[in-house]
Amino acid sequence: GAVVSQHPSRVICKSGTSVKIECRSLDFQATTMFWYRQFPKQSLMLMATSNEGSKATYEQGVEKDKFLINHASLTLSTLTVTSAHPEDSSFYICSARVLAGGEETQYFGPGTRLLVL
Amino acid sequence: EDQVTQSPEALRLQEGESSSLNCSYTVSGLRGLFWYRQDPGKGPEFLFTLYSAGEEKEKERLKATLTKKESFLHITAPKPEDSATYLCAVQAHQFYFGTGTSLTVIP
Repeated sequence: GAVVSQHPSRVICKSGTSVKIECRSLDFQATTMFWYRQFPKQSLMLMATSNEGSKATYEQGVEKDKFLINHASLTLSTLTVTSAHPEDSSFYICSARVLAGGEETQYFGPGTRLLVL
Repeated sequence: EDQVTQSPEALRLQEGESSSLNCSYTVSGLRGLFWYRQDPGKGPEFLFTLYSAGEEKEKERLKATLTKKESFLHITAPKPEDSATYLCAVQAHQFYFGTGTSLTVIP
C-alpha cells in the first residue's frame, strides 16, 4: 500500500511556541491530504482538508489562524500549531487520499505526539 | 444526522475464538465504508474498502461484509497479534470515523 510519513514523531514544546508537523507521501502524489487529531481512547477528529495549491478547508470549530496548513507540493503538507498551549497537546495524524482502479481510500501517517508544557 | 457507531467498545477473545465487530452507520449518500487497524501510538493501517451492500472482502483471518445499515468485521481464529483497535470509517461528503473496538486476544 501507499506510504505516508510524518515528522517529527514526538515533540515537546513550551507554551507559546509554534510547532510544525510535516506529512509526506513517499511513493505517490497526493493532491488531497487530511489532518486529524485524536485524544486518548477516542476516534479521529477531522481538522482540515489540505489541497495542493489552494487554501485548506477547515472543519467547524477549528481555528484556521491557530492551525496553519500549507500544501505546497504534491508530496508534502505541513501543519503548524501556532502559539501552542497545553490544551493543544494531542496526537496529530495526517492522511493522503489515494484514487486507484476506481477505488478511493486514505492512507495514514504514523502520527505525531505533541506535548505542550 | 450522519453517524457511525461501533460495537462492542472492547472485546476480549481467547486465541482461536472467532467473533465479529460491528459498525452501524446512518449517512446520506454513502460512497464507501473503510476498516482500519490501529495499534497504540500509531496511525491507522488500511484494511478494506467496501462500496455496496452485499460486498465482501477477505484478508488472512479478517473478512468484512456490508449491508445498507451496517458492516461486520469477522475475525476467524484470532491470534494475539490481532490485538489492536479496529476503526470503521464511512465516506459520504466527508469521512466519519467510529470510536473503534479495542480487541484483545489472549493466548
